[in-house]
Amino acid sequence: DTEVTQTPKHLVMGMTNKKSLKCEQHMGHRAMYWYKQKAKKPPELMFVYSYEKLSINESVPSRFSPECPNSSLLNLHLHALQPEDSALYLCASSQEGGGGRYIQYFGAGTRLSVL
Amino acid sequence: AQSVSQHNHHVILSEAASLELGCNYSYGGTVNLFWYVQYPGQHLQLLLKYFSGDPLVKGIKGFEAEFIKSKFSFNLRKPSVQWSDTAEYFCAVNAFGAGNMLTFGGGTRLMVKP
Repeated sequence: DTEVTQTPKHLVMGMTNKKSLKCEQHMGHRAMYWYKQKAKKPPELMFVYSYEKLSINESVPSRFSPECPNSSLLNLHLHALQPEDSALYLCASSQEGGGGRYIQYFGAGTRLSVL
Repeated sequence: AQSVSQHNHHVILSEAASLELGCNYSYGGTVNLFWYVQYPGQHLQLLLKYFSGDPLVKGIKGFEAEFIKSKFSFNLRKPSVQWSDTAEYFCAVNAFGAGNMLTFGGGTRLMVKP
């Protein structure tokens, strides 16, 4: 099973709302990632978790707050977002280490619209 | 910082035509190279990868890619495309020492006409 499951598939929120995106994998991967993908653009890395600890934050605004409750789950908490944050948010996972030779498996994404 | 360039933003081909998509990267050290495909409405999937050894690698669905170190290139090829190959194709590079971080190229949108 190489599936990464993201919920919800679609989310519409106002700028004052608080919402969360969820990601789950059962491949035993210890590295998990959040990417943001705008229309017709490549995925841009936001956060990397390694062994449930945040290892990389690509200067993402604090209105995005990641959380890794356990080795299978990754959340992205959203608060006070702006319309320009509307995008497809992708989660990925991989084995950890390996000198970059581990494949990242991607979920289908959550399409977020901020009104 | 490393960068990845995909020169063809949009490609339109007829079925059975041959395909070559360009990918160039800027990093001068050891790299791991990937091609991902994103079919309409679906998640990113790995097509093929290169880590070391034979610079010509074969992937799924008849795709192959050639790593040319001197040209910092990793071009994707397929001898005969099908309508079902309509998708967006992303080249991605992992630089040695960057953990598992991937830098993606801008993508190439391929449309295959039946």
